[in-house]
Amino acid sequence: DVKVTQSSRYLVKRTGEKVFLECVQDMDHENMFWYRQDPGLGLRLIYFSYDVKMKEKGDIPEGYSVSREKKERFSLILESASTNQTSMYLCASTLGTGLQETQYFGPGTRLLVL
Amino acid sequence: AQSVAQPEDQVNVAEGNPLTVKCTYSVSGNPYLFWYVQYPNRGLQFLLKYITGDNLVKGSYGFEAEFNKSQTSFHLKKPSALVSDSALYFCAVRDFMDSNYQLIWGAGTKLIIKP
Repeated sequence: DVKVTQSSRYLVKRTGEKVFLECVQDMDHENMFWYRQDPGLGLRLIYFSYDVKMKEKGDIPEGYSVSREKKERFSLILESASTNQTSMYLCASTLGTGLQETQYFGPGTRLLVL
Repeated sequence: AQSVAQPEDQVNVAEGNPLTVKCTYSVSGNPYLFWYVQYPNRGLQFLLKYITGDNLVKGSYGFEAEFNKSQTSFHLKKPSALVSDSALYFCAVRDFMDSNYQLIWGAGTKLIIKP
């Protein structure tokens, strides 16, 4: 089974802090994704990556950056956390880029910015 | 523009009764349709998908969904609900004609099964 892990389940940070969220997948998947999940808004794509050192902006990249130095690891960085970034963050991966690909999700990180 | 609508924020069903969670979509080409489920305090899990072929798709945990092209719908169904089916359900779509690989997600429907 594919396993996607995220570094923290819960995180509390202060406004202005730099925040790192880490995601690791163990099945040699090519593609990795970062979403945020907010009630009533579903999932919104922040960034995705098709390969090591490659990144593409999603729908809401503002205030975020990402890093993919190794195939199995995809990091989401909040350069200066703000209260409107309080949310659930979900990492996902897919084996390939086909339209029929199933996404495999991590358990999520619930971030609270005070 | 591509979009997915889940018209009900919450669906309440008695245990043992059939359940339906609704999803409609709008794409410019042919759709690839997905259902995912999120159990409390857990990440999303894949339930089923429609790519092509038979309009009735069977998935995990006894769920099925019917693709209806004329009504642009992909409703999730189960003949007999279990309390353990209580969760948040998301419908998602990709457009076959769209070179962008992004999934378009619905807002989610909370399913509550009462004993």
